[in-house]
Amino acid sequence: EADIYQTPRYLVIGTGKKITLECSQTMGHDKMYWYQQDPGMELHLIHYSYGVNSTEKGDLSSESTVSRIRTEHFPLTLESARPSHTSQYLCASSGWTGAYEQYFGPGTRLTVT
Amino acid sequence: RKEVEQDPGPFNVPEGATVAFNCTYSNSASQSFFWYRQDCRKEPKLLMSVYSSGNEDGRFTAQLNRASQYISLLIRDSKLSDSATYLCVVGYGGATNKLIFGTGTLLAVQP
Repeated sequence: EADIYQTPRYLVIGTGKKITLECSQTMGHDKMYWYQQDPGMELHLIHYSYGVNSTEKGDLSSESTVSRIRTEHFPLTLESARPSHTSQYLCASSGWTGAYEQYFGPGTRLTVT
Repeated sequence: RKEVEQDPGPFNVPEGATVAFNCTYSNSASQSFFWYRQDCRKEPKLLMSVYSSGNEDGRFTAQLNRASQYISLLIRDSKLSDSATYLCVVGYGGATNKLIFGTGTLLAVQP
């Protein structure tokens, strides 16, 4: 089992609020990812990082931002939440060169009212 | 056209049945291949990696055909607990190790 954690698991918040979704892993993985998934739909990569102080936007445009100051921590921030941000956000990590599989955290289900 | 294509199902099968899922991918530069399992409202979990030589893990067998850009998963002796969505996943390796996920195939095993 992978040791990757996300908090909160569920969040209901009003429009315009700033929120930060937390993701931490204890495996020392250098690569970390954020995905967005709507019910019954595929995962879309919104951000990734291949090491400390490196972040890149993913394939799906997102108004969120990320930071990677420490290897184990990869938080995602929405400066002003909107109902269109309602979705499940999944964090994943991947290990050393040659280990291509990604391991997922339990996800944060966000509802913006 | 999606980079990874799967039949969305649902596949409704009785317990004990053998079921096969297929997947095609469009980018011949793909380097890694996986099947993930996702239960309803849960995170995806790695089921198995897929190799050109084919690989087996208990009741599960995965095959890769690079020439046809085709991946398959066979589940023998289906259990109720196999009910889930099965995601075909293709990766490009390298420094970023990005993965591309299919939309998934829903399996419902009936008692």
